[in-house]
Amino acid sequence: EADIYQTPRYLVIGTGKKITLECSQTMGHDKMYWYQQDPGMELHLIHYSYGVNSTEKGDLSSESTVSRIRTEHFPLTLESARPSHTSQYLCASSAQSGTGKNIQYFGAGTRLSVL
Amino acid sequence: AQRVTQPEKLLSVFKGAPVELKCNYSYSGSPELFWYVQYSRQRLQLLLRHISRESIKGFTADLNKGETSFHLKKPFAQEEDSAMYYCALSLGGGYQKVTFGTGTKLQVIP
Repeated sequence: EADIYQTPRYLVIGTGKKITLECSQTMGHDKMYWYQQDPGMELHLIHYSYGVNSTEKGDLSSESTVSRIRTEHFPLTLESARPSHTSQYLCASSAQSGTGKNIQYFGAGTRLSVL
Repeated sequence: AQRVTQPEKLLSVFKGAPVELKCNYSYSGSPELFWYVQYSRQRLQLLLRHISRESIKGFTADLNKGETSFHLKKPFAQEEDSAMYYCALSLGGGYQKVTFGTGTKLQVIP
């Protein structure tokens, strides 16, 4: 079934640790996105990708990095986690063309807590 | 830069009452507007988009370019409508970044 998967769903980690948040989609979409969302607040775009080997920073500055080596995979990495990184991270994808173009499909999110 | 404004963080209505969630945007071109919804413990998902001109779960939204608004309306609120609603704007074309509003929590009181 076509879907977008995020792992882990919850992560509690100590300051200074390196972490990678996984995002994979079987939607066949070219475009993928990472958003940061604090509880009850707006979504902030932190990274996006229009295809393999294409990554761009979003509207909100983030210390995280992303890679897009495979179309279906768009992991986000924090080299040294800090308490200020505590937030929910949402991954999304959208189609390049067709009637569904511009519609974003979201994963379930990863809730990160850095102690 | 484009901006989406949702003036209400929380909107409480009684079951059966009409609902209007406000959304205003700032962009001089021809954007594409969306409403996304997040029910409790569920993913953020598309509710409707202006180009579809359809009613989803009894909700409708009309793009008013003169007032740069895209308000979400439903004539009779149901308890299952309680959720977080986000208005969003895309510049369209090959540029598919989406700008989201701050969201409005709709609480339908039984």
